[in-house]
Amino acid sequence: GQQVMQIPQYQHVQEGEDFTTYCNSSTTLSNIQWYKQRPGGHPVFLIQLVKSGEVKKQKRLTFQFGEAKKNSSLHITATQTTDVGTYFCAGLYAGGTSYGKLTFGQGTILTVHP
Amino acid sequence: DGGITQSPKYLFRKEGQNVTLSCEQNLNHDAMYWYRQDPGQGLRLIYYSQIVNDFQKGDIAEGYSVSREKKESFPLTVTSAQKNPTAFYLCASRSSGYLALSGANVLTFGAGSRLTVL
Repeated sequence: GQQVMQIPQYQHVQEGEDFTTYCNSSTTLSNIQWYKQRPGGHPVFLIQLVKSGEVKKQKRLTFQFGEAKKNSSLHITATQTTDVGTYFCAGLYAGGTSYGKLTFGQGTILTVHP
Repeated sequence: DGGITQSPKYLFRKEGQNVTLSCEQNLNHDAMYWYRQDPGQGLRLIYYSQIVNDFQKGDIAEGYSVSREKKESFPLTVTSAQKNPTAFYLCASRSSGYLALSGANVLTFGAGSRLTVL
């Protein structure tokens, strides 16, 4: 079945350093979404990428969708302590029996040391 | 205020008992999802439903059952056949529409239910 692999599983950074997490799907995605889960909370939607090669920015966060629509990345510039949490990508599959199935990557747990 | 309500927030059960987790949404969303979250394993899809009276197995459906008799409700039963049921369970919903381009097809999550089997 479809799988979304996400790396790294953990990332520890000093405040001010950059952070990147990567996702890769075994099959082509309809779109990819990114979510953030704060410790003790539930995932909250950050952004959705739909088009091949798409790049979107939200302040210090940059999201990319690969040309083949199989991989994606989230880059945070100059991390802050408020960035702490788990970042998930989620791939949406539109074809055949998997129509509407949203599959999450394993998540990257980010800790930021002040 | 529109949202998703999961109950109970915490639940303790003895081994061998069936447990039903409630998920209700007033967002008028068509699709609903159940995920299981274990430490270090991310979110794994248990079941999902695109419309009323229809649902599909996700990646880890064994030992679970669902129903979708109403648009607003998607309860999950953790049966005694589930070998390791202790986990954090998250319900989510999504509006329908053309999947690739609709701006409204992102997931809204409930606060979750933490099940502990003793």
